[in-house]
Amino acid sequence: EAQVTQNPRYLITVTGKKLTVTCSQNMNHEYMSWYRQDPGLGLRQIYYSMNVEVTDKGDVPEGYKVSRKEKRNFPLILESPSPNQTSLYFCASFSPGQGSTAQYFGPGTRLTVL
Amino acid sequence: EDKVVQSPLSLVVHEGDTVTLNCSYEVTNFRSLLWYKQEKKAPTFLFMLTSSGIEKKSGRLSSILDKKELFSILNITATQTGDSAIYLCAVANAGGTSYGKLTFGQGTILTVHP
Repeated sequence: EAQVTQNPRYLITVTGKKLTVTCSQNMNHEYMSWYRQDPGLGLRQIYYSMNVEVTDKGDVPEGYKVSRKEKRNFPLILESPSPNQTSLYFCASFSPGQGSTAQYFGPGTRLTVL
Repeated sequence: EDKVVQSPLSLVVHEGDTVTLNCSYEVTNFRSLLWYKQEKKAPTFLFMLTSSGIEKKSGRLSSILDKKELFSILNITATQTGDSAIYLCAVANAGGTSYGKLTFGQGTILTVHP
């Protein structure tokens, strides 16, 4: 089944404790992206990657890191999480070569930073 | 900076009503406009619009784009309680390193009462 998977789905952590949220897709998509969703603000892009070893900042990259060493994986790293990073996070992917910009979303990761 | 504004932010109707959701945008290099439906999980793709005046239709949902006036509408006829969701509008950027970048609006929360 074609899908985007994220882990963990729920995470409660404390300020300053490094964490990684994994994202994997099995559709051979070149493009992958991370978003955060907060009430009243909609979805905001954190980072995106147009292909392996190619990443760029989105609208709200502060406090986050990403890497794209393999085509299928795009982990999101919070080196020193803070309470303002409490949010719902989505990973998404698509393939520009398929003629569509419709991005496919993972199930989401709800992160709480205390 | 790319910008997407949706209206209304919230809408409450009764089953059988017809609703129109609005999305206006400003983007430096337009590629496409997308509509998503979000229930208590990840956004799911509804429509992708690239050309003005061509209506996309799926059952009771339809959408159209006006590239001159920079807006799109999403219509839902004969609403059902299962249509209750957040409807998200997003614009995809076509330019250079921003290729594929999605900018989302705040979303419209639709509630359909029996």
